[in-house]
Amino acid sequence: QVQLVESGGGLVKPGGSLRLSCTASGFTFSDYYMSWIRQAPGKGLEWISYISYTVHVIDYADSVKGRFTISRDNAENSMYLQMDSLSVEDTAIYYCVKGDGGGGAYWGPGTLVTVSS
Amino acid sequence: EIVLTQSPRTLSLSPGQSATLSCRASQSVHNTHLAWYQEKPGQAPRLLISGTSNRATGIPGRFSGSGSGTDFTLTITRLEPEDFAVYYCQQYGRSPFTFGQGTKLEIK
Repeated sequence: QVQLVESGGGLVKPGGSLRLSCTASGFTFSDYYMSWIRQAPGKGLEWISYISYTVHVIDYADSVKGRFTISRDNAENSMYLQMDSLSVEDTAIYYCVKGDGGGGAYWGPGTLVTVSS
Repeated sequence: EIVLTQSPRTLSLSPGQSATLSCRASQSVHNTHLAWYQEKPGQAPRLLISGTSNRATGIPGRFSGSGSGTDFTLTITRLEPEDFAVYYCQQYGRSPFTFGQGTKLEIK
């Protein structure tokens, strides 16, 4: 069965960096777009980014463009999110989602990122 | 960016009743790429409906989606106790893929 597991969350100071990972199993990872969606505490959902099978197509939400970088390693069945210049507004649970993040049926349990001084 | 407005923000109903949740888009949703999710505390969102009206695998028939253009509806008939949760709509026809602010379905 499809499994997605995020890791790398934690506490970071404003202006700092963090790298999230998503490890996938149960499907042919290289056949699918992958994406990140986040949810700030007590708030709604926000699509962040997606990456195509071969990395040729990447898109970001304006709120993270220029600060976050999505990547993947198909040999490792893994996707990453490099987050730089973090602000308190980036505090959220970050979910890894199979697909481009639209109508996604498979989500990981999420990893919490807290940006605080 | 397409803004999705959900209404009502809170809906208070009893088990056995039917619920009608609305999602209105600021622009026409391309290719009816509209999805609905259910969220419960401490859990990742669960896909209910994609492509406006297609139930995801394992979703009971009491959940149905409809609509086109800018107006979409999620209908839940014969509410079960486990249906009380927060529901989000999402458009994925045009980037950025945006979500509505959610409707909380609570037990009356």
